Amino acid sequence: SQQGEEDPQALSIQEGENATMNCSYKTSINNLQWYRQNSGRGLVHLILIRSNEREKHSGRLRVTLDTSKKSSSLLITASRAADTASYFCATAPMRQGAQKLVFGQGTRLTINP
Amino acid sequence: EAQVTQNPRYLITVTGKKLTVTCSQNMNHEYMSWYRQDPGLGLRQIYYSMNVEVTDKGDVPEGYKVSRKEKRNFPLILESPSPNQTSLYFCASSPSAGTETYEQYFGPGTRLTVT
Repeated sequence: SQQGEEDPQALSIQEGENATMNCSYKTSINNLQWYRQNSGRGLVHLILIRSNEREKHSGRLRVTLDTSKKSSSLLITASRAADTASYFCATAPMRQGAQKLVFGQGTRLTINP
Repeated sequence: EAQVTQNPRYLITVTGKKLTVTCSQNMNHEYMSWYRQDPGLGLRQIYYSMNVEVTDKGDVPEGYKVSRKEKRNFPLILESPSPNQTSLYFCASSPSAGTETYEQYFGPGTRLTVT
């Protein structure tokens, strides 16, 4: 079942600009995670935000979580060509003893030099 | 180096010919999982394992088998592959199978084509 829905599906910006991607989900969660995937390669974990957190930073990444709206956003500041990739949100449904992650379909980000 | 490895990376096979995709992790992780990735459908979980000898179905288990005889290995078996199993497959592992969900570490992927 697809829980996370990313928006937009594709985003193209100039190098140096900020990129914002959004994720909406349907059920209560333990945490929400963001992953990056370079074309055809394995996903790489970027950041995890717990349900009791509202904002988290990691380098040029800033993630917010609004559990009342069941939504999250990923902001990449001062984008670089190397940030070109697909970005996925993954939700951990609130279920006892589960490690299940439900992935959205991703946002394809292109950084133009 | 901590990693998840998959073999083979690319495989072209014919309908009905049994195949196994291996997955191994060297991080002593309890949890392991298989996903398939298809255009427009994102990542979908096939099977997962909370620990040795403990496996369970994910969202799309039909046509697949798994086993977890050792902590580090989690092979994916296609007994009779069909063209609709053509996909990009990922193995992933996670430190704990407890109540808190941790980040997952992904392998490089196996691109399977069934003709």
